[in-house]
Amino acid sequence: KQEVTQIPAALSVPEGENLVLNCSFTDSAIYNLQWFRQDPGKGLTSLLLIQSSQREQTSGRLNASLDKSSGRSTLYIAASQPGDSATYLCAVSLTGGGNKLTFGTGTQLKVEL
Amino acid sequence: SAVISQKPSRDICQRGTSLTIQCQVDSQVTMMFWYRQQPGQSLTLIATANQGSEATYESGFVIDKFPISRPNLTFSTLTVSNMSPEDSSIYLCSVAPFYGYTFGSGTRLTVV
Repeated sequence: KQEVTQIPAALSVPEGENLVLNCSFTDSAIYNLQWFRQDPGKGLTSLLLIQSSQREQTSGRLNASLDKSSGRSTLYIAASQPGDSATYLCAVSLTGGGNKLTFGTGTQLKVEL
Repeated sequence: SAVISQKPSRDICQRGTSLTIQCQVDSQVTMMFWYRQQPGQSLTLIATANQGSEATYESGFVIDKFPISRPNLTFSTLTVSNMSPEDSSIYLCSVAPFYGYTFGSGTRLTVV
């Protein structure tokens, strides 16, 4: 059974800092990995999708990397802003898993002025 | 990417009653997914809904408790039946076109 863990569970940083969120998964036979952000009272917003054949994806100040062999992904946020405050979730789908996602435990990020 | 309209956004229900949640997608999709997020927890898949066939439920979830309908390629409903306070959660629907996953805005359910 796939298990997905995120470290740290919570993080508080001053505005402007660069930060790294970590995601690890136990079954390396993934089809893809996706990072989401969740704001209180709202649904999930997709940030980055990395296919199993890719090593990284970038969007603006966000960069996500994937190391399938070690079962790890990182989300790098550059020059953090208060608007980045949210819960960040990583989720993986397994090859042959029918697009079902297994979610991580989440990292609650607070960026302070 | 696909746009999903989910409703209701929130509800407070009496124990023993049922609530039906609706998701409408702006494009045709083969599979729709229903997730539950219990307070302070991450998301857990309830079931996968394909048009024209019975939904496939994950371990720990049963059709009698969470009946699902999928009448066409753009619409699905999830019913939470005979509710108890333990069913208080956020329920989300999702679709997975080839370009990535999209989620509805969620239904925050409180059972009293």
